[in-house]
Amino acid sequence: LAKTTQPISMDSYEGQEVNITCSHNNIATNDYITWYQQFPSQGPRFIIQGYKTKVTNEVASLFIPADRKSSTLSLPRVSLSDTAVYYCLVGSFSSGSARQLTFGSGTQLTVLP
Amino acid sequence: GAGVSQSPRYKVAKRGQDVALRCDPISGHVSLFWYQQALGQGPEFLTYFQNEAQLDKSGLPSDRFFAERPEGSVSTLKIQRTQQEDSAVYLCASSPRSGGGSSYEQYFGPGTRLTVT
Repeated sequence: LAKTTQPISMDSYEGQEVNITCSHNNIATNDYITWYQQFPSQGPRFIIQGYKTKVTNEVASLFIPADRKSSTLSLPRVSLSDTAVYYCLVGSFSSGSARQLTFGSGTQLTVLP
Repeated sequence: GAGVSQSPRYKVAKRGQDVALRCDPISGHVSLFWYQQALGQGPEFLTYFQNEAQLDKSGLPSDRFFAERPEGSVSTLKIQRTQQEDSAVYLCASSPRSGGGSSYEQYFGPGTRLTVT
């Protein structure tokens, strides 16, 4: 079972780049790394997913080193509306098997004006 | 299109009562998940369905918790003889993924906040 560790909180200013790191030392070969954003009273919302190296989409980048024991979510030019809790999720599932999915404890990102 | 919906959004139960929480996944999504989220914590996995088959229930905290998805669409999480420690937000998620080669992205509902008094 992959245990994940994240910083509890981070502060940033509007327009800055924010990097949030998640440690997952026990990640398994088939596990993927997914990051979610959660606002109060809402369910988590998908941001980005990766297996290894770097993945980029329209809102974020995800960096995964070769040993896959950590990952870093990068949010370019944050705005006030990016204030939320960010979670990394490690795990996988398929038609033939199910693997317990482990969320980190979450990082509260506060973007200041 | 419609996302994942959950009902009720809020539920207050007296200790010892049974509760049933409903999840309507996105139409056509094969996989369905239940998570428990305590205040200030990350979601914790409870159970996983693929269609009507419950492939993993290792996260269910006790035999008071029971989940079903009889027709492979709507799912119900039932908690019998509720205790105060069951107070949490219960999240449901669905995914179109059924096998190798596609994203593990999960789509979450808004959750049901259960308070046991």
